[in-house]
Amino acid sequence: AQTVTQSQPEMSVQEAETVTLSCTYDTSENNYYLFWYKQPPSRQMILVIRQEAYKQQNATENRFSVNFQKAAKSFSLKISDSQLGDTAMYFCAFMSFGAGSYQLTFGKGTKLSVIP
Amino acid sequence: DTGVSQDPRHKITKRGQNVTFRCDPISEHNRLYWYRQTLGQGPEFLTYFQNEAQLEKSRLLSDRFSAERPKGSFSTLEIQRTEQGDSAMYLCASSSGLERNEQFFGPGTRLTVL
Repeated sequence: AQTVTQSQPEMSVQEAETVTLSCTYDTSENNYYLFWYKQPPSRQMILVIRQEAYKQQNATENRFSVNFQKAAKSFSLKISDSQLGDTAMYFCAFMSFGAGSYQLTFGKGTKLSVIP
Repeated sequence: DTGVSQDPRHKITKRGQNVTFRCDPISEHNRLYWYRQTLGQGPEFLTYFQNEAQLEKSRLLSDRFSAERPKGSFSTLEIQRTEQGDSAMYLCASSSGLERNEQFFGPGTRLTVL
């Protein structure tokens, strides 16, 4: 079974600054995806960024980038130039390629507050 | 482009009552998922449909829970004889399997069992 650990329950960052959210995972699989999802207060969950495990290059989406360390099973999210709209719960999630449902396994989340 | 919708958004019920939730996925998404999210936790997988076939169920899904997707479009999740421990946000997600397996989530149904 896969597990996802987010060791930072809450974090805060000043507007326009950079923040990094941590995530580690445990799996015996070799082919998988990793995701960061954002859940704003009282709003639905949306995908921020994804990483295919077979790709060595770290994924980047505008102000969001990841540091994927496959051997260490680490997948951190860096948010640059933080904006007030980035305030949300952030969930790290794992999906296996293997035969099955492609279900997501989530961490417990990190509550990020962007301070004006 | 319509996203995933869920109905109702909120449900308050008394212990022992039955409740049913509905999820309408994005059109032509053949995969549909149900997750449960309790306060302070990430979502936990409950069950998965590919078209109308229910292919996987979590051990979290007790025999009081049943899900259907009769025509491969919308899905319903029914909880019989609700318990206070069933209080949670129930999330539905859908995917086509083509967008690198991205799952699109609905707004959820918040269930409160008194």
